[in-house]
Amino acid sequence: DAKTTQPPSMDCAEGRAANLPCNHSTISGNEYVYWYRQIHSQGPQYIIHGLKNNETNEMASLIITEDRKSSTLILPHATLRDTAVYYCIVSFSGNTPLVFGKGTRLSVIA
Amino acid sequence: GAVVSQHPSWVICKSGTSVKIECRSLDFQATTMFWYRQFPKQSLMLMATSNEGSKATYEQGVEKDKFLINHASLTLSTLTVTSAHPEDSSFYICSARQYEQYFGPGTRLTVT
Repeated sequence: DAKTTQPPSMDCAEGRAANLPCNHSTISGNEYVYWYRQIHSQGPQYIIHGLKNNETNEMASLIITEDRKSSTLILPHATLRDTAVYYCIVSFSGNTPLVFGKGTRLSVIA
Repeated sequence: GAVVSQHPSWVICKSGTSVKIECRSLDFQATTMFWYRQFPKQSLMLMATSNEGSKATYEQGVEKDKFLINHASLTLSTLTVTSAHPEDSSFYICSARQYEQYFGPGTRLTVT
């Protein structure tokens, strides 16, 4: 079973920041928080991951609360191409397979 | 990031026939690959873990005799759907791990 809870859907205006929340209250000390997204009929795309500290890359920022029980993925300037299902996954590193929940369907609106 | 490819991208086959799907890691070696299945409007479901040089590990409820997995090299894993039936129609996605887990583009299987 997925260890995360995400809202089923969200809307965001084009050009605005998209903030996608995720609850993972049962996360263990060695588990990472991963974010992937899936555009219709494609394989999931890696976005970002983190353990304790906030992370930023060219695609997004990941904010993890101090108690690690929740996190937020931030797309700073959403475009129409960011419309996708976003999955928040907690998992150990190494060869542990990722287990997907239902994710959040983000619709970016012009 | 690392690139994972799949072939074919889509396939239509008749009921009772077998279909092979290839998954390749193009720029890295993967001792472990994963196979997922996704039905319309649903999330990805892990089917099995493919280990190079050894037998695959199947998730509960996945028929190992129906979904044959072969991980013959460090860059290639294959999934063969044997005696396919219409209910096997789905989107099959493989992935391999190099630091992060990277996914292939998926193979859409339609069984008529």
